[in-house]
Amino acid sequence: AQSVTQLDSQVPVFEEAPVELRCNYSSSVSVYLFWYVQYPNQGLQLLLKYLSGSTLVKGINGFEAEFNKSQTSFHLRKPSVHISDTAEYFCAVSDGGAQKLVFGQGTRLTINP
Amino acid sequence: GAGVSQSPRYKVAKRGQDVALRCDPISGHVSLFWYQQALGQGPEFLTYFQNEAQLDKSGLPSDRFFAERPEGSVSTLKIQRTQQEDSAVYLCASSLYNEQFFGPGTRLTVL
Repeated sequence: AQSVTQLDSQVPVFEEAPVELRCNYSSSVSVYLFWYVQYPNQGLQLLLKYLSGSTLVKGINGFEAEFNKSQTSFHLRKPSVHISDTAEYFCAVSDGGAQKLVFGQGTRLTINP
Repeated sequence: GAGVSQSPRYKVAKRGQDVALRCDPISGHVSLFWYQQALGQGPEFLTYFQNEAQLDKSGLPSDRFFAERPEGSVSTLKIQRTQQEDSAVYLCASSLYNEQFFGPGTRLTVL
């Protein structure tokens, strides 16, 4: 069975500072990996995805993530955060394009001015 | 174009009542998923449709939960005899290839 662990439930950072949100997964098969963002009272919006190919994936809003198969990790990074990045971030895994997503518990990113 | 829509956005039910939650997927999307998101948690899979066929219902927590998609488009998630532990946000997502697009969710509160 697949599982996802987001190592930090909350991450506070100052505006314009870099940030890394950590995600580790377990799976017995090849995986697709995703990061979603959820703003208050809204649904989930896709930030980026890894399906195959280059292990460094670039997404929207200046976010990027690196797939590391040996460490079973898919950490999300942004070099300089903005107040508008305050939200809940979810890492997810699936074993196929039309398969269910298994989500982590989420990381709440708080940006302080 | 229009995204995934869900209705109602908020639903308050008394314990024991039946509720029906509606999902309108993006036009042409073959796959449709339902997830349950408890407060402070990540979404958890409930069920999956490909067109009108329900291919996976392994995540439905009890036989009080029932989902349908009779014409391969709109889907309804029905919860019978609601319990307090059913309080959560119910998210619907549709997909054509390898990306799921989520609706805003229905927040269900059972009193």
